[in-house]
Amino acid sequence: DQQVKQNSPSLSVQEGRISILNCDYTNSMFDYFLWYKKYPAEGPTFLISISSIKDKNEDGRFTVFLNKSAKHLSLHIVPSQPGDSAVYFCAASGGGADGLTFGKGTHLIIQP
Amino acid sequence: EPEVTQTPSHQVTQMGQEVILRCVPISNHLYFYWYRQILGQKVEFLVSFYNNEISEKSEIFDDQFSVERPDGSNFTLKIRSTKLEDSAMYFCASRRGGGNRQETQYFGPGTRLLVL
Repeated sequence: DQQVKQNSPSLSVQEGRISILNCDYTNSMFDYFLWYKKYPAEGPTFLISISSIKDKNEDGRFTVFLNKSAKHLSLHIVPSQPGDSAVYFCAASGGGADGLTFGKGTHLIIQP
Repeated sequence: EPEVTQTPSHQVTQMGQEVILRCVPISNHLYFYWYRQILGQKVEFLVSFYNNEISEKSEIFDDQFSVERPDGSNFTLKIRSTKLEDSAMYFCASRRGGGNRQETQYFGPGTRLLVL
């Protein structure tokens, strides 16, 4: 039962261009969404979050967009840098649940 | 910047043995969590803990698992009788808890548990 889906296992983007990572969810009770970045053998590092009362949140090079009607969110990274190469996880909570539900992750590779 | 710490970084144990994984959450945080990630799979929620009791647990968190806050700084996960399928990366997380559930959970670096 995949309540949070990241359908692209990997994504390759040229340095300096925009990276767009996508996430879909099925549970309409989710009301808080987060993006985490993870390097091998390390814990997830928080990047950016968005509440369901908003449709956009921006922090420096990172912007998250939320489309509630489509149950879809996306993370935009612009410009992409070599240090952005990592696995990116979408996570969600809501409906009285505090534990996060994670997607399977997207491995972002920034090509020089 | 405050961070969540976990010990040990790696643990190898024999099937049937008990293991205790340790975490020190961020000092002014009130909500604590354990997650696990089996190799090649997604991060899965195990349990949340607040005010010295479990506030939420997943179906993974069965009677083999227990959590405890033995003192003012540590938060532990105990697996009573480990199974091969318990081999995973275990992450501790914490959040401040200011009355708003919509807060960031900050993760530790993880403990890699290998059950032989």
